[in-house]
Amino acid sequence: GAGVSQSPSNKVTEKGKDVELRCDPISGHTALYWYRQSLGQGLEFLIYFQGNSAPDKSGLPSDRFSAERTGGSVSTLTIQRTQQEDSAVYLCASSLGASGGVNQETQYFGPGTRLLVL
Amino acid sequence: KNQVEQSPQSLIILEGKNCTLQCNYTVSPFSNLRWYKQDTGRGPVSLTIMTFSENTKSNGRYTATLDADTKQSSLHITASQLSDSASYICVVRGNQGGKLIFGQGTELSVKP
Repeated sequence: GAGVSQSPSNKVTEKGKDVELRCDPISGHTALYWYRQSLGQGLEFLIYFQGNSAPDKSGLPSDRFSAERTGGSVSTLTIQRTQQEDSAVYLCASSLGASGGVNQETQYFGPGTRLLVL
Repeated sequence: KNQVEQSPQSLIILEGKNCTLQCNYTVSPFSNLRWYKQDTGRGPVSLTIMTFSENTKSNGRYTATLDADTKQSSLHITASQLSDSASYICVVRGNQGGKLIFGQGTELSVKP
């Protein structure tokens, strides 16, 4: 049984370039979440999807950040015109649902994408 | 503002010893509280989940307690092992949809 996978595992880019981070959730999980974890910091919520729609995108730090999900499965987080402060680990998680009790809501995390903006 | 505060920030203990990590929260209304373990370079893994009606939940050598009145939770690790070295994150979910509120984590280091 595959868990949540993310790609690439590491990404080094130049300031000003665009990057795309991919998340493959666990099959059958309808909810998908993106988080950011800066060095020595806690997890910061970015956005979550229920199916293909994003009921809560309040954590996206600026309009350079966007995410989409297609087919209720794969999600892509895009950062445009990257800045050095975007350097962080970007974690994706999925759950059976976003509500309905603890078993439905338990989030399973991927290994993360380590982004370094030079 | 909803907050989840963890203490201590970091902790070093000797192998075989017990330790207790603390989590205080102000999230209201409260739905459930989770403890995650995050190994270096890995994503977090769920250890325990408790709703407001549960006072304690165990998972092997990990025991979590919850006092919903005082909004405090603790994670007790018994007979620590080197593999327990990790960041332990307290996460609280309010009754507001899918967003979870994460604490900063406690960095535990178990030394031989």
